[in-house]
Amino acid sequence: DQQVKQNSPSLSVQEGRISILNCDYTNSMFDYFLWYKKYPAEGPTFLISISSIKDKNEDGRFTVFLNKSAKHLSLHIVPSQPGDSAVYFCAATQQTGANNLFFGTGTRLTVIP
Amino acid sequence: NAGVTQTPKFRILKIGQSMTLQCAQDMNHNYMYWYRQDPGMGLKLIYYSVGAGITDKGEVPNGYNVSRSTTEDFPLRLELAAPSQTSVYFCASSEQGAPNTEAFFGQGTRLTVV
Repeated sequence: DQQVKQNSPSLSVQEGRISILNCDYTNSMFDYFLWYKKYPAEGPTFLISISSIKDKNEDGRFTVFLNKSAKHLSLHIVPSQPGDSAVYFCAATQQTGANNLFFGTGTRLTVIP
Repeated sequence: NAGVTQTPKFRILKIGQSMTLQCAQDMNHNYMYWYRQDPGMGLKLIYYSVGAGITDKGEVPNGYNVSRSTTEDFPLRLELAAPSQTSVYFCASSEQGAPNTEAFFGQGTRLTVV
């Protein structure tokens, strides 16, 4: 049973435009969320995270928005660059008493030059 | 910095064979994890360790065993390989438990069981 869902397997965006990647979760106990980026033949690398006490977290070109009532989060990349082309995984967990990250299935972002 | 190193990168096993996937980290992290990623699916936790000598099951532990005799190493053992274990395996480590800090992942081991 997939507790974290990324319903868009792929997304193509023009360079310089905004990329918006979406993620939904079903477990209301999740209170900490992360985004990982993965290039081919490499392991995932951490990108940005957000705690449920916030609704927005920004780091340079990357911003994550959290809507707790909708159990939805999104990653915005502005402006998108060709080097951002990768698979993006959303992950969720509980801040206390948990040692597992629950991952979504990933969204493949292609930024077209 | 090497970070998290996994060996081998690729392996083909016959049904019933056994093998050990190696994982080593040089960041002195207490927490280590093994995930598997099946095609079109998210990563799922197999086993994890919170320190040398301590291991625990994740979501999908059946068919696997682990040990953690040192802080640096966290090998994953497959005793009787089955086609259902065809997957990409990722080892990861983190300074604290998963919720508190991001994990650092190895490059992955692509395993095919035929």
